[in-house]
Amino acid sequence: AQTVTQSQPEMSVQEAETVTLSCTYDTSESDYYLFWYKQPPSRQMILVIRQEAYKQQNATENRFSVNFQKAAKSFSLKISDSQLGDAAMYFCAYRRDSNYKLTFGKGTLLTVNP
Amino acid sequence: DVKVTQSSRYLVKRTGEKVFLECVQDMDHENMFWYRQDPGLGLRLIYFSYDVKMKEKGDIPEGYSVSREKKERFSLILESASTNQTSMYPCASSLGLAGPPGDTQYFGPGTRLTVL
Repeated sequence: AQTVTQSQPEMSVQEAETVTLSCTYDTSESDYYLFWYKQPPSRQMILVIRQEAYKQQNATENRFSVNFQKAAKSFSLKISDSQLGDAAMYFCAYRRDSNYKLTFGKGTLLTVNP
Repeated sequence: DVKVTQSSRYLVKRTGEKVFLECVQDMDHENMFWYRQDPGLGLRLIYFSYDVKMKEKGDIPEGYSVSREKKERFSLILESASTNQTSMYPCASSLGLAGPPGDTQYFGPGTRLTVL
């Protein structure tokens, strides 16, 4: 069974600085998708960024980028120029190709200090 | 924008009561999902539905059932609520295509259920 591990239950960063959230996963599949979702306090989860395993290029969405290391089964999220609105719980998730199910990590709570 | 709504943000029920949680999406999505979210455990899939009247068990279906009579609406049912079902229940929907962006899940705000 696929597992997703987020080893940092909590992280903090100073406003305007850069922070990296870690995620590792375990799978025997070669085709799959990886996601980072953000859940602000008392609000619904929203998709931050996604990565297709067959793509070598790391995905980027504005201040958010990933470091995808397929051989190491690592998928970290880098947030540049952190803003107060980035404070949230961040979940890493995995989806096997041709399967709708998402497997989530346990989450990392990010605090942004002014 | 995709909108996923849930009938209640907060719900308090008593042990043994039958509980209905409702999720509605307005984007004609094929797939709908019910999750349970607990601190330190992340999100775990209870059930999902890939079409009207079609459902499939997730990782933790015990104690729950679901109903999808219309495409836009997916209900989670606790036949006899127990205190260990006190949790946050977010639902989600996705277009249903195999790849991006059709597989992106859009989440509702969640229902925080307390069973006394």
